[in-house]
Parts: sequence; structure tokens; C-alpha cells
Amino acid sequence: DAKTTQPNSMESNEEEPVHLPCNHSTISGTDYIHWYRQLPSQGPEYVIHGLTSNVNNRMASLAIAEDRKSSTLILHRATLRDAAVYYCILGSGGSNYKLTFGKGTLLTVNP
Amino acid sequence: DVKVTQSSRYLVKRTGEKVFLECVQDMDHENMFWYRQDPGLGLRLIYFSYDVKMKEKGDIPEGYSVSREKKERFSLILESASTNQTSMYLCASRRAGGDTQYFGPGTRLTVL
Repeated sequence: DAKTTQPNSMESNEEEPVHLPCNHSTISGTDYIHWYRQLPSQGPEYVIHGLTSNVNNRMASLAIAEDRKSSTLILHRATLRDAAVYYCILGSGGSNYKLTFGKGTLLTVNP
Repeated sequence: DVKVTQSSRYLVKRTGEKVFLECVQDMDHENMFWYRQDPGLGLRLIYFSYDVKMKEKGDIPEGYSVSREKKERFSLILESASTNQTSMYLCASRRAGGDTQYFGPGTRLTVL
């Protein structure tokens, strides 16, 4: 499985933008980049995903490098409810079911 | 709103007991998954089912079995629980060919 590398933890202030980086230098051409997050005492929830182009939804934006070896999840205005572990995951196009979760980034949001 | 529910949030069992963990989804999804989550190891896939009565082993199936008799329900069975199966168990579902997995709240199982 292609692997991802994320910082163990990051800190942000409330109402400021947050940029969560992810490196995936061994990504293959059919790998989608998925982001999930896990709030305390809950199961993971989907945030966003993309293949090549930048993506936006109501929760976040995903910026994908041109060579696809890295990506950044952008939370435009962090709130206290965004404090969670964020996982960057590669899912191969032919078998998107198999999501290999790493350790993720623990995001702390300060009031 | 999509919903995946798990039968218990917390469960305590004794070594050697047979344990059933139930997962139900109301989204008519074809695919369902069982993961376990342990500190430092992340989520690991135990089994998945791509349709009724179909199942496939994930990365760590040893000591577990599954049952999918109805589309909405996916059961994880610990035939003879052991202390190393103490963990958080997470169920998820996905529409066939879809990109998103929807997770339940998890069951924290303790085996004494």
C-alpha cells in the first residue's frame, strides 16, 4: 500500500485558517487522496477527497500538488469543533474500499 | 442523514466467551466493513463484505468471523474472546463504487 506521512500534531487558533500537510511520494496514478477526521469518542467521518484537481466542499478545501506527491487539507476558519485527528489516506481507484489509516495529525484548536 | 449504528458503545466480556458485535446501516449500501482501532496502530481492516452473504478477509482476520445475512446488517463474531482482542471496533458502510465510507460510533470491547 502506498503510504502517507503527516505531522503528529498541529495547533491552531480559533477562526484562523489551518493547513494540514500530507506527503505521499509513492502515490500511483489511480490513487485517490482521501481525508477523514475523527472527533473524540466518535468514528471517523469523511472530509474530502480528490484525484488531481483541487477540491472544495462545505467542510474544507483540498489542494493537490501538481506532481501529486503531496497535498494539503485547508480548514478556512477553524472552530473548537474542528479539534480532531485528521487522516490522509490513499485509496486505489480499483479498490477504493481499502482505506489504510495511518496515525494522522492531532489538531488542537485554541480559543 | 446517513446512519451506521452499532449495538453497544461499551462491552465487557470474559476470556473464552463468544462475542457478537452488530452493525446496522440504513443507507442501502452494498459494502460493509469491520475495523479495529488500537493506540499507535491506527485503524486496521478485519473483514469486509461487498454484498449480502459475501465476505472477504482484511488485514487481520485471525480470531474473527463475520456474517452478512441481510443487506443492512453486518456482524463481527469473536469465537473465543482473548485479552488481545480488547480494542475499539468500528463498523463502516459504503455504496458500491462510491468514494466515501460512513462509520458508526464504535464499540469499545474489553476482554478480561
